[in-house]
Amino acid sequence: GQNIDQPTEMTATEGAIVQINCTYQTSGFNGLFWYQQHAGEAPTFLSYNVLDGLEEKGRFSSFLSRSKGYSYLLLKELQMKDSASYLCAVRPLRSSGDKLTFGTGTRLAVRP
Amino acid sequence: KAGVTQTPRYLIKTRGQQVTLSCSPISGHRSVSWYQQTPGQGLQFLFEYFSETQRNKGNFPGRFSGRQFSNSRSEMNVSTLELGDSALYLCASRSGVAATDTQYFGPGTRLTVL
Repeated sequence: GQNIDQPTEMTATEGAIVQINCTYQTSGFNGLFWYQQHAGEAPTFLSYNVLDGLEEKGRFSSFLSRSKGYSYLLLKELQMKDSASYLCAVRPLRSSGDKLTFGTGTRLAVRP
Repeated sequence: KAGVTQTPRYLIKTRGQQVTLSCSPISGHRSVSWYQQTPGQGLQFLFEYFSETQRNKGNFPGRFSGRQFSNSRSEMNVSTLELGDSALYLCASRSGVAATDTQYFGPGTRLTVL
């Protein structure tokens, strides 16, 4: 089966940098996704990692270490609108049933 | 290109009733997945359909069922509703079933069971 862990809540200050961690245990690995979800809205896609290393996309970056079963989402120059839940999701190998499995999400509060 | 649409957006039912939710994927997308989201459990996978065939199923009782039509639109049905079925039901579509194919979510249907 799959097990994904993320911190439940984090708080950060506007303009700062915050790192949201995600650790996973899965039956085979075929990619990790990060989604952002504002309260009352649908999740929106942020990033996808399948190889080790850092993927940068504007203010957001995502890092993956497959050997450690570890990823993080880095948010720079935080803005108030970044207050949201951040969901880590793992796709196992197709042979293990490749359904996307989500963590319970990290609720980030950005304060002025 | 229009996004994923779901109808209805809100629904109130009573225990024992049944409900059907509808999802229209992004044009050209052939895979549709359904998720249940609750505050305590987060996003839980229900099932995925591709080309009218169920290719993955989550750990939900048989009261939860779905289907996909030839135009890729999908419906989800829940029979004999229980209070614990109150949740946000999200539909997501992707173009295919490759690992790299990103899922795009609809706005969800908020189901309340009284």
